[in-house]
Amino acid sequence: KAGVTQTPRYLIKTRGQQVTLSCSPISGHRSVSWYQQTPGQGLQFLFEYFSETQRNKGNFPGRFSGRQFSNSRSEMNVSTLELGDSALYLCASSVGQGARNTIYFGEGSWLTVV
Amino acid sequence: DAKTTQPNSMESNEEEPVHLPCNHSTISGTDYIHWYRQLPSQGPEYVIHGLTSNVNNRMASLAIAEDRKSSTLILHRATLRDAAVYYCILRDVNSGGSNYKLTFGKGTLLTVNP
Repeated sequence: KAGVTQTPRYLIKTRGQQVTLSCSPISGHRSVSWYQQTPGQGLQFLFEYFSETQRNKGNFPGRFSGRQFSNSRSEMNVSTLELGDSALYLCASSVGQGARNTIYFGEGSWLTVV
Repeated sequence: DAKTTQPNSMESNEEEPVHLPCNHSTISGTDYIHWYRQLPSQGPEYVIHGLTSNVNNRMASLAIAEDRKSSTLILHRATLRDAAVYYCILRDVNSGGSNYKLTFGKGTLLTVNP
């Protein structure tokens, strides 16, 4: 069974540009969530989608957005990139929501903003 | 949210058992104990989880104290591939059906010596 797939794995962008990251959850998983991981802040929740609806959003500016498609695949977009957006962006999926459902993470997309 | 406390680092020798402790003295009755690990340059990987009883799977065992205020992740025979940061987290089954409260602390950096 394929795991959570994230693309691209590595990318470099310039300040002011925008970026789109893609996530394919494990087959049958309907819940997708996104996290930002940096050495200083650790793992921070960005947003969560279930059945194409955003269910929760973390404390990030409006430059960070996402969506989920009918096949559960998800994308996140960051506009007007800042140097501080350099981080590992992780996508995670689970069958459903709630603590009884195991969350599986992808390998992440490493974003460097220069 | 209930917090967890883990040692910053631990060291083990290859082929030997490793016991990774986690304290969660403020755990509530509805908190599941989850363990994840993160290898360098990869996303977190689910290891094991439990509520009250000890749990075993192909990766590890989870021993939960009778009062649930602490738990121990047991790797029966450490290999070099087990070198990673191990995170102990609590997930409340009553968190509104959402995964958004998933937060990782600093975890324990496990070094495995050949």
